[in-house]
Amino acid sequence: KAGVTQTPRYLIKTRGQQVTLSCSPISGHRSVSWYQQTPGQGLQFLFEYFSETQRNKGNFPGRFSGRQFSNSRSEMNVSTLELGDSALYLCASRRAPSLSHRADTQYFGPGTRLTVL
Amino acid sequence: DAKTTQPPSMDCAEGRAANLPCNHSTISGNEYVYWYRQIHSQGPQYIIHGLKNNETNEMASLIITEDRKSSTLILPHATLRDTAVYYCIVRVEDNQGGKLIFGQGTELSVKP
Repeated sequence: KAGVTQTPRYLIKTRGQQVTLSCSPISGHRSVSWYQQTPGQGLQFLFEYFSETQRNKGNFPGRFSGRQFSNSRSEMNVSTLELGDSALYLCASRRAPSLSHRADTQYFGPGTRLTVL
Repeated sequence: DAKTTQPPSMDCAEGRAANLPCNHSTISGNEYVYWYRQIHSQGPQYIIHGLKNNETNEMASLIITEDRKSSTLILPHATLRDTAVYYCIVRVEDNQGGKLIFGQGTELSVKP
């Protein structure tokens, strides 16, 4: 079974631009989460989508947004890029949010390395 | 904030067992402990998870103390390819299905 795929793998943008990153989950997985990883802050949760709806959100400004399509693929968008947005952006998928508190493992993609100049 | 505390770094000799400790003293009764590892800024790789019983799979064993305030990940025969940052995570449960809150992890160096 193919893993989580993310495109593009590397991206260079300049301040003020906007960027869209794409994530395709593992087949059969309907939940997609996004994380930002920087040397200073580590891995931070951005948001999670399930059934085309945002289910959970971390503490990031409104410049960070996302969406999910009917085939479970997800995109995240960052508008008005800042130098501090340079990071590795990771996508993770799981079958579904675990409303019954049953463990449900997330599997990560390879990430998109975004550099803002 | 992360609910786990890990040593920032550890060394292990190749072929020996690597025992990575984690403290999670504020864990709630229905919160699972997960372990992931990350190699060279690739995406984190799932290793194992547990609630209160010890768990074993083809990669590692997870030992959780009876009071659930700490756990240990054991890599039985460490190889050079096990050099990575290991994250111990308590999955925070909320009414949206839970989320992973990563801490700083332990950087494990396996040496020849």
